[in-house]
Amino acid sequence: DQQVKQNSPSLSVQEGRISILNCDYTNSMFDYFLWYKKYPAEGPTFLISISSIKDKNEDGRFTVFLNKSAKHLSLHIVPSQPGDSAVYFCAARGADSWGKLQFGAGTQVVVTP
Amino acid sequence: GAVVSQHPSRVICKSGTSVKIECRSLDFQATTMFWYRQFPKQSLMLMATSNEGSKATYEQGVEKDKFLINHASLTLSTLTVTSAHPEDSSFYICSAEQGANTEAFFGQGTRLTVV
Repeated sequence: DQQVKQNSPSLSVQEGRISILNCDYTNSMFDYFLWYKKYPAEGPTFLISISSIKDKNEDGRFTVFLNKSAKHLSLHIVPSQPGDSAVYFCAARGADSWGKLQFGAGTQVVVTP
Repeated sequence: GAVVSQHPSRVICKSGTSVKIECRSLDFQATTMFWYRQFPKQSLMLMATSNEGSKATYEQGVEKDKFLINHASLTLSTLTVTSAHPEDSSFYICSAEQGANTEAFFGQGTRLTVV
């Protein structure tokens, strides 16, 4: 069963605008959430994370929001740049499963000029 | 961030042969590493947890006799795909963490093609 879901397989956004990627999870035991960026034939690159005790974490152009009651998190990228075009994976981890990440299916982001 | 190196990045092998993939943490010690597999246009699926000095822990549905994992040192884990078949063709990725509640760092991945 898929415990982390990214229901939008793709997203197209204009350069300079905001990209919003969504992620839902079903396991209430998850306590740490991460976003990764991935290019074809490469390993994922860490972007930003958030602990379940927080509802927002910001790092430069990237902000992650967590709504625990809704079991939902989102990644905002603003402003979007052409180099942001990649597949973005949402991942989650439980307190008792250090290092074992459950990944969503990914969202392909295309930033157009 | 920490560096995890994976080798080779790409390998083509004949059906029935075995292939070894290496995963190294270059600037930190990792008592635990993780092996994932990604099929085209799908998510990364955890295969097994590699523990230094002990047996690996495999996820449900992963054949431990087919995917041999050895974690001989604090900086090296290997995954050997034994008697590979075309259906084993996939993208294999390893990861390691420096400590609890830190992000996992991933290797570059290995594209395995079995012909």
